Amino acid sequence: DQQVKQNSPSLSVQEGRISILNCDYTNSMFDYFLWYKKYPAEGPTFLISISSIKDKNEDGRFTVFLNKSAKHRSLHIVPSQPGDSAVYFCAARISNFGNEKLTFGTGTRLTIIP
Amino acid sequence: GAGVSQSPRYKVAKRGQDVALRCDPISGHVSLFWYQQALGQGPEFLTYFQNEAQLDKSGLPSDRFFAERPEGSVSTLKIQRTQQEDSAVYLCASALDRGLHYEQYFGPGTRLTVT
Repeated sequence: DQQVKQNSPSLSVQEGRISILNCDYTNSMFDYFLWYKKYPAEGPTFLISISSIKDKNEDGRFTVFLNKSAKHRSLHIVPSQPGDSAVYFCAARISNFGNEKLTFGTGTRLTIIP
Repeated sequence: GAGVSQSPRYKVAKRGQDVALRCDPISGHVSLFWYQQALGQGPEFLTYFQNEAQLDKSGLPSDRFFAERPEGSVSTLKIQRTQQEDSAVYLCASALDRGLHYEQYFGPGTRLTVT
């Protein structure tokens, strides 16, 4: 049972345009959501997060939106740059003390076309 | 500064062999995690340590998988009698402490291939 879903395995976007990556979740206990970026032969690196008490969080070119009623979130990258080409994983966790694990989606490979 | 390191980076094992995968977390990081990433999938949680205490091992797929962190720093993930379905990248992550605001830093992983 996939509790965190990324339905688009790949996405190609022209340099300078907006990249939108989507993620759905089924477990209503999740209340903290993260995005990780992964280059080949490296481990995932943390990008941005959002708590369930917010519906938007921005950090430079990266904005994450959360729609709790739809159990959906998206990552917007504006403007997209060639260095953004990577696999993006969304992850979620339950914030009660003692529950530290992250549950990941299957990833979306983003390719920025120069 | 040094990040999370893992060794070996690549391991080929014959079915039935035992393997040991090592993780060196960032110095001073209290929390340590192991994840398994099969081809085309996202990382899946295996187990979690707080210092030397293994507080969550709910993700270990069978009793052939065993993890330890005896002195609260370096950790070893051991897989006994490897099977082909164990082929995956094994990722280790560490965090300064437990809780929402402590980011998990991942190592590059060990790619295990069981033939």
